[in-house]
Amino acid sequence: EADIYQTPRYLVIGTGKKITLECSQTMGHDKMYWYQQDPGMELHLIHYSYGVNSTEKGDLSSESTVSRIRTEHFPLTLESARPSHTSQYLCASSEPGQGYLGSPLHFGNGTRLTVT
Amino acid sequence: QKEVEQNSGPLSVPEGAIASLNCTYSDRGSQSFFWYRQYSGKSPELIMFIYSNGDKEDGRFTAQLNKASQYVSLLIRDSQPSDSATYLCAVGYSNYQLIWGAGTKLIIKP
Repeated sequence: EADIYQTPRYLVIGTGKKITLECSQTMGHDKMYWYQQDPGMELHLIHYSYGVNSTEKGDLSSESTVSRIRTEHFPLTLESARPSHTSQYLCASSEPGQGYLGSPLHFGNGTRLTVT
Repeated sequence: QKEVEQNSGPLSVPEGAIASLNCTYSDRGSQSFFWYRQYSGKSPELIMFIYSNGDKEDGRFTAQLNKASQYVSLLIRDSQPSDSATYLCAVGYSNYQLIWGAGTKLIIKP
């Protein structure tokens, strides 16, 4: 049961195009994340958000931007797609942690992006 | 630099046996530990999380945490072919920061 939704599921696009990957969650979670994952590799954090109007860059510079205008919506935008952006993009959310303890992430189904 | 290490595998286990997956981490400041399962082409899904030293059991799964030795393990009892997947270890350092291992590929042989 998907409480966090990503669209599109697959996207093939040409170099230089602007694209937005959508992510919405219905769980009311404050924290949301975007990860990038290549096949057989670890997840890399691109952006995260603690709540509305809060966004931070992660440890991977992907030349993308995010916005968080509503709690449930956390879109990722690539201003100019390049072949190096070809990857799987995963959106996740989490409920508030217990003090300093992190809480589990819930992932969407992902968007597989191919830039030609 | 904080690191999480996992043997990439593949780890091959006969059906019905116990599968043991290990994860080591570098920073003693780690507070939370998560195991995720990821089928090929799918998103990670949470298996278990553990915060305190010792064992935590959930059905066929047991997570074991040893902070002194800086490792966390996942045991899968009565392994089934459907358990064949990549298992990701994630270590939390604060309320939001997670460091991920590259995962161990597990193959359960019928």
